[in-house]
Parts: sequence; structure tokens; C-alpha cells
Amino acid sequence: QVQLQQWGAGLLKPSETLSLTCAVYGGSFSGYYWSWIRQPPGKGLEWIGEINHSGGTNYNPSLKSRVTISLDTSKNQFSLKLTSVTAADTAVYYCARGIFGVVIIPYYYYDMDVWGQGTTVTVSS
Amino acid sequence: SSELTQDPAVSVALGQTVRITCQGDSLRSYYASWYQQKPGQAPVLVIYGKNNRPSGIPDRFSGSSSGNTASLTITGAQAEDEADYYCNSRDGNHVVFGGGTKLTVL
Repeated sequence: QVQLQQWGAGLLKPSETLSLTCAVYGGSFSGYYWSWIRQPPGKGLEWIGEINHSGGTNYNPSLKSRVTISLDTSKNQFSLKLTSVTAADTAVYYCARGIFGVVIIPYYYYDMDVWGQGTTVTVSS
Repeated sequence: SSELTQDPAVSVALGQTVRITCQGDSLRSYYASWYQQKPGQAPVLVIYGKNNRPSGIPDRFSGSSSGNTASLTITGAQAEDEADYYCNSRDGNHVVFGGGTKLTVL
């Protein structure tokens, strides 16, 4: 059974860089999308971006200028960097495994079936 | 970019049936996936694809879709179903989430 274990700094000052890592246990990167999602206090889920097994990335347009997601297949890990953080970046950050499927062309589905435990990141001076 | 719209809050009497809806243009080509999130916990996938439940999800959870609207139905809601529910799909190269629906079981 695949499990995701994430870690990273939980307290940052404004303008610093957020850095989180997610390790994949019990499975491989092939055939999946590996995402980062965040949830500000009391609010909903926001997709940050994703990386596929080949290293191809997609980012939320609202965060694209500050986000980098990378992959280390030798360690079975993927990482998130978010630069120039502000208080608005305070949130619980999750990593997740995404699956793209075809029901019957042209109908598809996409789901995130495995999630990390979440990391609380607070940005405060 | 595409958005998914959910009602902010829904309530249901214990044992009754409730439907939570999600609207968005991306749902014309993607079936919505649905997640349950309880306070302090990570989201859990409850419905994916046309109407599929991951292992361990009770069969009182079901999904359906019509046009640009997807629905999550809980038949015979239980106290433990009280949670936030989120829908999700893709819009091209991006992933989108609905704003979430808080379900209260009365």
C-alpha cells in the first residue's frame, strides 16, 4: 500500500522560501501525477502544482511565478519550493498522488487517491 | 481557468439521504472525484470515475453526473459522515477543486 510522508520547515519569515519534501513508500512514480495542495486556516483546498514521472510540471497560474516542483527518483521523493512567502501563504500543505483515467473517450476522470499527512506552515515576522 | 462551484453548507437528518452538488464546465468532460475531510485530517477520496468507491468506503456513498453538474449522494447518512466534502477534476493542464460543502448531520 502506497504511503506518502512529508516534512519541511513549519515557521517562516516573510520573503523566505518555503521548502517541503514528500517521500513515496511502497510504490513507484511511473504513471502518476504528484501534486502539492494547500489549505489556509478555515478555507478550502487549493491546488499548487504537479509533476509527472518524467519531470513534466504544471502549476496553478496564480502561484506559477513563485513555485518549483521537482522530482528525485533515486530517493522516491518530490519537493515543493515557494519563494517570497507572505502571511497569505500560511496554510496546511499536503502532497498527494494523482491518477488520470479514461472512462470512455471523451470522458475522463482525475483523482488523488493517496495523501500525505499534511504540514502546517506559518509565515510570521 | 475553470472553476467548480459547491453549496457552502448542507444539512441532513440522521438516516436520511443527502445530495451534494458540484458545477463547472470541466465536468462536461471529466467525472468529478469527491473527497471527505474531517477536522484536523487530510482529505480522503470517497468517489472517483463514473461511480467508483475506493476500498473501505461504505456503499452509502455514490456519485452521478449530468452535463456540467456532478453529485455526491449519501443514502442513509450517519453521524460519522459529518464533514467537509470537496469535488475535484482537471481543466486541461490544471487541477481544480470546488470550494467545499460542510455537511451537518442532525
